[in-house]
Amino acid sequence: DQQVKQNSPSLSVQEGRISILNCDYTNSMFDYFLWYKKYPAEGPTFLISISSIKDKNEDGRFTVFLNKSAKHLSLHIVPSQPGDSAVYFCAATNSGTYKYIFGTGTRLKVLA
Amino acid sequence: GAVVSQHPSRVICKSGTSVKIECRSLDFQATTMFWYRQFPKKSLMLMATSNEGSKATYEQGVEKDKFLINHASLTLSTLTVTSAHPEDSSFYICSARSGRAYEQYFGPGTRLTVT
Repeated sequence: DQQVKQNSPSLSVQEGRISILNCDYTNSMFDYFLWYKKYPAEGPTFLISISSIKDKNEDGRFTVFLNKSAKHLSLHIVPSQPGDSAVYFCAATNSGTYKYIFGTGTRLKVLA
Repeated sequence: GAVVSQHPSRVICKSGTSVKIECRSLDFQATTMFWYRQFPKKSLMLMATSNEGSKATYEQGVEKDKFLINHASLTLSTLTVTSAHPEDSSFYICSARSGRAYEQYFGPGTRLTVT
């Protein structure tokens, strides 16, 4: 039972354009969501997070949107840069356990 | 800030031997550390959660006698893969969090190859 899903395994975007990565979850007990960036053979790097009491959080080029009714969140990167090319994982958690459930990942390729 | 290190970065061992992986939080006290495993081109799967000074909590399907976790201090957790077999070959990643923060900070990972 995959509680957190990223339905697009890969995404290619032209440099300077917007990248939109999507994530869906099924468990309504999740109250905090995070996005991580990962390179092969390295640990994930934290990008941005959002609490379930908000619907948007912005940090520089990164914006995360949360639609609780649809159990859907998305990460917008604008403008996209070649250095953004990596695998992006969304993660969901709650204040009861603080354990992360990771999505399946989306490989983003930003074309120069 | 929030740096987590892992050692070794890669290890090759023979089948039947045990391997210890260390995870350290370098600039903060980690009340909780987590151990994950990642198979090639797959997501990160949580193996266990460890709180300083108490026994680790293992996820369903993870053998606690095979993957021994010790969280002896607020800055160090170790994962020992006992009697390793080729199917234990994987990328193991630790993370750490402190206080009531949601964010986990991840180590760089350890590539284990069992021959």
